Amino acid sequence: LAKTTQPISMDSYEGQEVNITCSHNNIATNDYITWYQQFPSQGPRFIIQGYKTKVTNEVASLFIPADRKSSTLSLPRVSLSDTAVYYCLVGPSNGNAGNMLTFGGGTRLMVKP
Amino acid sequence: EPEVTQTPSHQVTQMGQEVILRCVPISNHLYFYWYRQILGQKVEFLVSFYNNEISEKSEIFDDQFSVERPDGSNFTLKIRSTKLEDSAMYFCASDRGGYNEQFFGPGTRLTVL
Repeated sequence: LAKTTQPISMDSYEGQEVNITCSHNNIATNDYITWYQQFPSQGPRFIIQGYKTKVTNEVASLFIPADRKSSTLSLPRVSLSDTAVYYCLVGPSNGNAGNMLTFGGGTRLMVKP
Repeated sequence: EPEVTQTPSHQVTQMGQEVILRCVPISNHLYFYWYRQILGQKVEFLVSFYNNEISEKSEIFDDQFSVERPDGSNFTLKIRSTKLEDSAMYFCASDRGGYNEQFFGPGTRLTVL
């Protein structure tokens, strides 16, 4: 599995855009990039997934450059409730098979008023 | 919106006792998982389950652990003889397979005294 590296922590203020970058230099051709969010004492929650270029949903955007060796999760106009740990995961999409997820340490985002 | 549920939310047990953690995955999902998170540490994969058998397991999932789907809805994790180091949050997850979008339950906090 490709190793991922992301900042341990980040601080931001309400209303700002937050960009969290993840490095995955050894990403394989069939790997997807997936981000999860985890609030204290809760299970991780899927945010967004992409393979290349840009993906956007109602929660976030994911930017992936052409070489796919990194990705950036962008959270527009964060609020206090976005304070959480954000995990970048890289792994294959196995068609109809299940997938064990390998979580790293994540990025602890603190949003301040 | 359908969700994964887990019971109990908190379980306290004595070292050496057996515990069973219960999960009800999302009804049309096919793949089921258990993860654990020791306080302040990473989320760690334990086991995946498909078609009534284990499909993958980690080194953590030794002979003290077992999983079962006793009926059409429940998915259980049994720890036969608990150790102090088994104290953790245990998360159940499920998905339809393929795209790494797993849905996690709220977790069971296991405390072994």
